[in-house]
Amino acid sequence: QKEVEQNSGPLSVPEGAIASLNCTYSDRVSQSFFWYRQYSGKSPELIMSIYSNGDKEDGRFTAQLNKASQYVSLLIRDSQPSDSATYLCAVSIRGGFKTIFGAGTRLFVKA
Amino acid sequence: DAGVIQSPRHEVTEMGQEVTLRCKPISGHDYLFWYRQTMMRGLELLIYFNNNVPIDDSGMPEDRFSAKMPNASFSTLKIQPSEPRDSAVYFCASSQGPDRNSNQPQHFGDGTRLSIL
Repeated sequence: QKEVEQNSGPLSVPEGAIASLNCTYSDRVSQSFFWYRQYSGKSPELIMSIYSNGDKEDGRFTAQLNKASQYVSLLIRDSQPSDSATYLCAVSIRGGFKTIFGAGTRLFVKA
Repeated sequence: DAGVIQSPRHEVTEMGQEVTLRCKPISGHDYLFWYRQTMMRGLELLIYFNNNVPIDDSGMPEDRFSAKMPNASFSTLKIQPSEPRDSAVYFCASSQGPDRNSNQPQHFGDGTRLSIL
């Protein structure tokens, strides 16, 4: 089992819809969780950090964490074509500073 | 504020040559990370430093790879000798230290696109 798993997609949603991106992780000790967005040919860019169970909202983005189920998700409301990118889930494993990235989910938002 | 600065942005060299990638982290960041990204393997952590000291180099693929951080504002990743399978995008990232047991997010440089012919 991979340490951080994401559906590779592509996930295609119409403009204005909600995009839901999911991530599971294997290490129960993990405490820090991040979502990054990466446009083609560019570097990963932080969207959200989440550390506690529940939801965290920032503008059109909501991160959800469920440590019991070892699951973290990212919701993008009112999706825009500019949201089309690869979204990387990152987890700091074993309670330390080593961060493992998932393979990423490609999102396409159709105008 | 200046972000993480990497150089060169692109490097094309022949197999067997030495390659040196450079990174300047964000001032005040205690942690520095080197990653490699390929289509096949995604984003892989190679090594990370804390206060200029290598903490975990378990991701370094083999002895041909080495990394140093002589001071808080500079790090290098060297490949000697280089091979075609080393072709990838290499990212450097930095972050502040943990805050109440929660890790701070990493900030990435623009990367070095390396092609070994």
